Amino acid sequence: SQQGEEDPQALSIQEGENATMNCSYKTSINNLQWYRQNSGRGLVHLILIRSNEREKHSGRLRVTLDTSKKSSSLLITASRAADTASYFCATDPEETSGSRLTFGEGTQLTVNP
Amino acid sequence: EAGVAQSPRYKIIEKRQSVAFWCNPISGHATLYWYQQILGQGPKLLIQFQNNGVVDDSQLPKDRFSAERLKGVDSTLKIQPAKLEDSAVYLCASSLDRGPWNEQFFGPGTRLTVL
Repeated sequence: SQQGEEDPQALSIQEGENATMNCSYKTSINNLQWYRQNSGRGLVHLILIRSNEREKHSGRLRVTLDTSKKSSSLLITASRAADTASYFCATDPEETSGSRLTFGEGTQLTVNP
Repeated sequence: EAGVAQSPRYKIIEKRQSVAFWCNPISGHATLYWYQQILGQGPKLLIQFQNNGVVDDSQLPKDRFSAERLKGVDSTLKIQPAKLEDSAVYLCASSLDRGPWNEQFFGPGTRLTVL
C-alpha cells in the first residue's frame, strides 16, 4: 500500500469553517510535505515539516506531525471557496539520500460559499 | 520567475502509438522529476535526474518508457508503445538541488488519453 494515506477521501464544508485532513505513513521520514492541486492544474507546495518538528504554521495553515504515531494533520482555518482543491501529503523517506517523495491519494476538499 | 513549462498540455493517441512529452524546468534547477498521476490517485515518481544523470528510475517501466535530459536542462519523456493504462497526467517538477529540504516546483502537466 502507499506511503502517505490521507483521511478523509472527501470533505465538504461551508465557507468560514475549519477543515482538517489527516495523513498516515509507514516508514521513517526526513520530512513530510503538503501540496494542493486545483482541478486540472499542477501541484503547489504548501508547507514542509521536518521530522524533528511537531507543529508548523503558515498563514491560515497549521500542520502537526507525530512521528511516534506516523501521522500528520493539516488544518485550514477560516476556509474560503478558493480553498476548494485536492490536498496531498508527501513523505520523504529517511532511507533515501535524495528527495524521493511518495504521495498519498489525496483529500478532495470542497468549500461551499 | 518563470515556472516549470510542459508541452503539450493534452494528447490523445491510440494504443500502441508513441508519444513524447517535453519539460523545461526553472532556470538553475539541477534536479528534475517526472511523475505519473492516474485519475483519483496521487502522483507517482517515475524518474529523477540530477543535471544530466539519472539518480532514480526504479519505478520507470523501462520496457516502454524512456526519458532523457541530455544537456542537463530540459527533458523529454517518451512512451513507446502506449497502453490503455498509461492514460494519466504526466507531471514534471524541478528543484534547486537534491536533498530532502529542496522544495519541488511542479508544472501544469500533460494529460494523456490512450484510446
